[in-house]
Amino acid sequence: GESVGLHLPTLSVQEGDNSIINCAYSNSASDYFIWYKQESGKGPQFIIDIRSNMDKRQGQRVTVLLNKTVKHLSLQIAATQPGDSAVYFCAENTSGTYKYIFGTGTRLKVLA
Amino acid sequence: GAVVSQHPSRVICKSGTSVKIECRSLDFQATTMFWYRQFPKQSLMLMATSNEGSKATYEQGVEKDKFLINHASLTLSTLTVTSAHPEDSSFYICSVRQGVPSYGYTFGSGTRLTVV
Repeated sequence: GESVGLHLPTLSVQEGDNSIINCAYSNSASDYFIWYKQESGKGPQFIIDIRSNMDKRQGQRVTVLLNKTVKHLSLQIAATQPGDSAVYFCAENTSGTYKYIFGTGTRLKVLA
Repeated sequence: GAVVSQHPSRVICKSGTSVKIECRSLDFQATTMFWYRQFPKQSLMLMATSNEGSKATYEQGVEKDKFLINHASLTLSTLTVTSAHPEDSSFYICSVRQGVPSYGYTFGSGTRLTVV
């Protein structure tokens, strides 16, 4: 079934430090994953994606790591900035299906 | 990627009334749009898939008679919350599935519904 969060875990990071946000996905058949960023009162924004034939993908200041063995996904943000403060969701999808399952989300707080 | 516009961004309505939320795909012809609901401090829950020219597909537990979806054109889907109650207060978000190279969703900015 879908993952439903009862509360949001929070990660507090000092400005300029690196952030690592983790996600455990649920379906071993999932082969496409996305990280989204959601600021307060707004819809989620695409950050980076990765397919299951890869274990690492880099973007601008962000890196996604995929460990299919333990069904784990992580998002690394380098040199975290105040504008990175938001809730981050991972989403998983299986090829041929339209449905994405969203993780519970992690709130990132950047401390000045 | 697709640009998705959602309106209104906030709405307050009285119990028992109906509220319509619009989702427009501004630069992408979307045969399929998706409606999500998000309660405070929770994740996004898919409510239904809106199909252009045909009936919407609802997720288990979502009342189709309460959440009316109309997808009359390739650029517009509407969600109407009928006979709204305070427990329907939530953040409603629509999305469009992007095409190649990314298969992710582009989300609208969301609608905060408060039923009083």
